Amino acid sequence: GAVVSQHPSWVICKSGTSVKIECRSLDFQATTMFWYRQFPKQSLMLMATSNEGSKATYEQGVEKDKFLINHASLTLSTLTVTSAHPEDSSFYICSAYTSGSYNEQFFGPGTRLTVL
Amino acid sequence: AQSVSQHNHHVILSEAASLELGCNYSYGGTVNLFWYVQYPGQHLQLLLKYFSGDPLVKGIKGFEAEFIKSKFSFNLRKPSVQWSDTAEYFCALEGAGSYQLTFGKGTKLSVIP
Repeated sequence: GAVVSQHPSWVICKSGTSVKIECRSLDFQATTMFWYRQFPKQSLMLMATSNEGSKATYEQGVEKDKFLINHASLTLSTLTVTSAHPEDSSFYICSAYTSGSYNEQFFGPGTRLTVL
Repeated sequence: AQSVSQHNHHVILSEAASLELGCNYSYGGTVNLFWYVQYPGQHLQLLLKYFSGDPLVKGIKGFEAEFIKSKFSFNLRKPSVQWSDTAEYFCALEGAGSYQLTFGKGTKLSVIP
């Protein structure tokens, strides 16, 4: 299957700083990428959908000015958590969608963000 | 609004026992249904998916799931579990054509050797 990577795998930052998380599709081009957030013992919650070259579509309740998404190419999407606060601490997972022979989403390994 | 409900939070089984994990969904239209598995420390992997056709879907590693439209269910089954099946299992739905997944809360499966 197709491979999706995320970097970094974990990050600790101070409150008020910004953190960028990268999501890359390594061996395929992703028409669409998704960003999820997972709280302990809870489900993955879709935060936003991004298509290459266009603005991301955010789910209700997700602050687009706080969670900046840039989908610069068909293999890279970035999520920047701006002015992070402790309540932003979570596990962030991206996925990349490809149609054609796969027609499914492939998930990255996730990024653990801890805001002090 | 669409939703996915997984009734079992944590299931503990002995090796060779049979497994059935429940999944019910709510959606007002045609759905595609998925089961994903997340092994400890690893990323989500697709076990199987249902788009249309035969409601009994076979996936990897001996797993299967049955789509019962009248019950809005998509339960996951395996006749004989192994210790290596210890993982968290997520049911998800996708409204046909939307590409967006809605996940259940997950079921943690612990298999005792």
